[in-house]
Formats: sequence, C-alpha cells, structure tokens
Amino acid sequence: GAVVSQHPSRVICKSGTSVKIECRSLDFQATTMFWYRQFPKQSLMLMATSNEGSKATYEQGVEKDKFLINHASLTLSTLTVTSAHPEDSSFYICSAGVSGNIQYFGAGTRLSVL
Amino acid sequence: QQQVKQSPQSLIVQKGGISIINCAYENTAFDYFPWYQQFPGKGPALLIAIRPDVSEKKEGRFTISFNKSAKQFSLHIMDSQPGDSVTYFCAASKGNTDKLIFGTGTRLQVFP
Repeated sequence: GAVVSQHPSRVICKSGTSVKIECRSLDFQATTMFWYRQFPKQSLMLMATSNEGSKATYEQGVEKDKFLINHASLTLSTLTVTSAHPEDSSFYICSAGVSGNIQYFGAGTRLSVL
Repeated sequence: QQQVKQSPQSLIVQKGGISIINCAYENTAFDYFPWYQQFPGKGPALLIAIRPDVSEKKEGRFTISFNKSAKQFSLHIMDSQPGDSVTYFCAASKGNTDKLIFGTGTRLQVFP
C-alpha cells in the first residue's frame, strides 16, 4: 500500500514551453500533497503545499505564477512549470500526506530545459 | 527554529560495521521524526520514524535513538551492507500533515 505514482519520470523540453507533472496516490486518499525540488547532491526543498479543493500554499521565494499547482481530487495533484527556462531544470518530487504527518513520495521527475 | 542539522555529510563504513547518522533540531514543537532513504534518481522512501514519546525504535537492522532533552535523534544501521550505500535524510514535522523539514543528507558508502 501507500503508493504514489509520479509521471512523467523524465521530460526534456525547449525553453519557453510549459510542462505538467502529475502526482497520484494510487491506493489511498491524500488531503495534502507536497511538491519538492531537489538539485544534485542537495536536500529536498519544499516548494508548495497543496490541499484538495483549495489554493496551494507556496514557500517563500517560489513563484506561484511560474509553478502552477492544481489539486482537483483527493488522489491527484499536478505541477505545471510555465514558460520553462534552463534554470528550471531540476528533479521535482511530489509526496502525499496521510494522517500522523507521514508522507509517501513519488519517484520524481527529471526536468531538462534546453 | 525550523532547521534540522544533519551530520556527517558523508560516511564510509566497512561491511558489517555500524553506520551512525545524527540529526539535531531546534523547534520543540516537532513531534514526528522520520528517516528517508534515497536511491539515485528516485524519490525518498520512508525507512523508519519515531515520535517523542519513546526513546528508541528498532526495525530490523535500523534503529532510531531519540534524545528529547538534547533535541537530537540518530539512525543506527547495524551490520551495514554494500546495498545500504545510498543517501539518507532525516526530517522533522509538527502537527497533522504538516510539512517536513529535511536535513541536508548523508551519503553512506559501505565497502566490502
């Protein structure tokens, strides 16, 4: 149980295009989902917290118009990187929260912007 | 107050030895302390977690020791194996489904 599916696992896009990443909790409902960004050999940096049916809460320094988050159901959250640029190239990871603070993570999405 | 400090940054242990990774926190409101294991190119996987009402939790070769007064917790990997050679992150959070504050990570290398 507690499987979080993240898709795609890797995406390469041209500068200026938008990329959507999906995060699904497969066998449980998650009222809260989290989006992280991780640079090579560094820790996970929380970008935003997403609650089903409400607007996401972004961490300081994260542009909400750049990183659009939608959490339309208890099992699906999406992150859209709008007008991607090479500096947005990174490893993006989602997690789904269950009661008791426990978070289960997706496998991550490697974004490369050319 | 939101930081979680993790050490060492890297660790080399001989096969069969004990690997010890330490974390320290400031916020006394934290009430959940998980350890995650991250393989290259993958998301973190929950390894073991503890809450402040106990001082130790053991699952197989993995043990968390928790010192509430010192605001420290550590991961002990007994009988370390080459397959344990990945990156480990400690984390802390408070409340229900609150955000995790991650440590900086420890890259463990277990050599035969």
